[in-house]
Amino acid sequence: DVKVTQSSRYLVKRTGEKVFLECVQDMDHENMFWYRQDPGLGLRLIYFSYDVKMKEKGDIPEGYSVSREKKERFSLILESASTNQTSMYLCASSANQREGRGNEQFFGPGTRLTVL
Amino acid sequence: QQQVKQSPQSLIVQKGGISIINCAYENTAFDYFPWYQQFPGKGPALLIAIRPDVSEKKEGRFTISFNKSAKQFSLHIMDSQPGDSATYFCAASIFSNSGYALNFGKGTSLLVTP
Repeated sequence: DVKVTQSSRYLVKRTGEKVFLECVQDMDHENMFWYRQDPGLGLRLIYFSYDVKMKEKGDIPEGYSVSREKKERFSLILESASTNQTSMYLCASSANQREGRGNEQFFGPGTRLTVL
Repeated sequence: QQQVKQSPQSLIVQKGGISIINCAYENTAFDYFPWYQQFPGKGPALLIAIRPDVSEKKEGRFTISFNKSAKQFSLHIMDSQPGDSATYFCAASIFSNSGYALNFGKGTSLLVTP
């Protein structure tokens, strides 16, 4: 089974703190994604990566950065956390085209971040 | 802007009934349309997906209907069960070898009552 793990289920930080959210996948997937999920807004893409050291901006990259130094690990960084970044953060990974279910993304359980 | 519009926002269906969730998209380049199911405290998981070369795909009680000319697709859950109570997201993307990012709808919260 594909497993995507996220470093914390719940996190509370102060305004202005630097925050690291870690995501690890164990299926040698090429692609990794970070989303935030807010009630009524669905899942919005923050950043994604097609390969080690590669990154692409999603729909809402402002206030975030990412790092992918190893294939299995994709980190989301909030350089200076703000209250409007309080949200559920979901990491996902996918393999390049496979027979059958191509483009399927596998999600981690999420990190609920509260910024006070 | 939202590239995929999903309705309704919430839905209550009696056990045994049919649940229907609708989505519409604008970008004619999209050619991969998955539905994800999310239970509380879990990440979304792929439920069923369709490519535009077919108008319908069925897996068990779940069916996607696809209307390319109208740029719409829908999820039908037949014989809905309380265990189907979850949030459902439609999505759309370009199908490729390199796994394009998905554009998600805002989600539908489904409650199936006993």
